[in-house]
Amino acid sequence: NAGVTQTPKFQVLKTGQSMTLQCAQDMNHNSMYWYRQDPGMGLRLIYYSASEGTTDKGEVPNGYNVSRLNKREFSLRLESAAPSQTSVYFCASSRNLAGAYNEQFFGPGTRLTVL
Amino acid sequence: GQQVMQIPQYQHVQEGEDFTTYCNSSTTLSNIQWYKQRPGGHPVFLIQLVKSGEVKKQKRLTFQFGEAKKNSSLHITATQTTDVGTYFCAGPGAGGTSYGKLTFGQGTILTVHP
Repeated sequence: NAGVTQTPKFQVLKTGQSMTLQCAQDMNHNSMYWYRQDPGMGLRLIYYSASEGTTDKGEVPNGYNVSRLNKREFSLRLESAAPSQTSVYFCASSRNLAGAYNEQFFGPGTRLTVL
Repeated sequence: GQQVMQIPQYQHVQEGEDFTTYCNSSTTLSNIQWYKQRPGGHPVFLIQLVKSGEVKKQKRLTFQFGEAKKNSSLHITATQTTDVGTYFCAGPGAGGTSYGKLTFGQGTILTVHP
């Protein structure tokens, strides 16, 4: 089992460019999440998907869109990148049966720099 | 929205000293989770506490959940260099069960000097 995988690992963009961060999990988990991590700010939730076919905004959704392509895959898109989106992005998944709080499994992260 | 405050932000210790990080919420938490992130790595789940006053141990790590379920702590006895990293607490996100959403504390960065 690979767990949660993310691509790419590193990316440099120019202001205004777009890109999609890919995430996949092979644990048959119901819920998936996108976080960003900035120094001193902890992990902040961007978007989440409770189950296949549903997505919802988290704490900091502005400037991002997501797609839950199927149960395995959850992508994050930056339509017009801004320097404020320079961050480390983590994808996570969780089993979450019947609304229970299960542990979250994190991917290795994508380090994004926007110039 | 719901916030989980964590202190201290940084902690430097000599190897062998003890370490404690604290997590506080203004509202009652149904549960709290703890994660560890090694430098350059990703967060890894350590434990979940659910019951009021619960205490759980993992080798040198002791986790406590307050009686009022508004605070929690992680204590490491006799730190080792392998303990370096950032420790996060996380409580349920705003909106109730909300499909497992978590709100993370800011984290405590632990440095251990050999």
